[in-house]
Amino acid sequence: NAGVTQTPKFQVLKTGQSMTLQCAQDMNHEYMSWYRQDPGMGLRLIHYSVGAGITDQGEVPNGYNVSRSTTEDFPLRLLSAAPSQTSVYFCASYPAGASDTQYFGPGTRLTVL
Amino acid sequence: GENVEQHPSTLSVQEGDSAVIKCTYSDSASNYFPWYKQELGKRPQLIIDIRSNVGEKKDQRIAVTLNKTAKHFSLHITETQPEDSAVYFCASTDSWGKLQFGAGTQVVVTP
Repeated sequence: NAGVTQTPKFQVLKTGQSMTLQCAQDMNHEYMSWYRQDPGMGLRLIHYSVGAGITDQGEVPNGYNVSRSTTEDFPLRLLSAAPSQTSVYFCASYPAGASDTQYFGPGTRLTVL
Repeated sequence: GENVEQHPSTLSVQEGDSAVIKCTYSDSASNYFPWYKQELGKRPQLIIDIRSNVGEKKDQRIAVTLNKTAKHFSLHITETQPEDSAVYFCASTDSWGKLQFGAGTQVVVTP
């Protein structure tokens, strides 16, 4: 199993550009999440999904869209990039049900100029 | 929503000494409390977790304690080694499995 994979590893955008961060998992986990990590602030939940076709907002959803058309994939879209979105983005997946271990992808380091 | 506070933000210990990191949470319905270790440039890795029906759990040199009444939990690392140097995050989950993270503790183990 590859586990949780994320692409790209690094990305530089200009203000106003849009892009999609890809996340895929091959563990058949129903739950998937997106976090952003800023220095000194830990990880903050952006959006999450409890199954294909179901998504919901986390703590910091503004400026981001998600969709979950398959169990395996959970892409994160930046609609119009802003410097405040410069961060490291982690995707995670976990089996159905609360209280289960979350598995993190390797992260995407995004810089918005 | 859930709020998790973590202390201290930085912790410097001599090799061989113990390290203790403390977290408090606000949601009394929280029932799962994982601890993650993150090395520089890497993803968070689960090192130990505890569920609400248990008061303490140990795994070799690391242990976690939970006090549900006081809504706090702690990570204990004994006989620290240089490879324990990293950022440690506590977290708690709500009934949907959403993780709320603490701000992290930078642990530095000096030889």
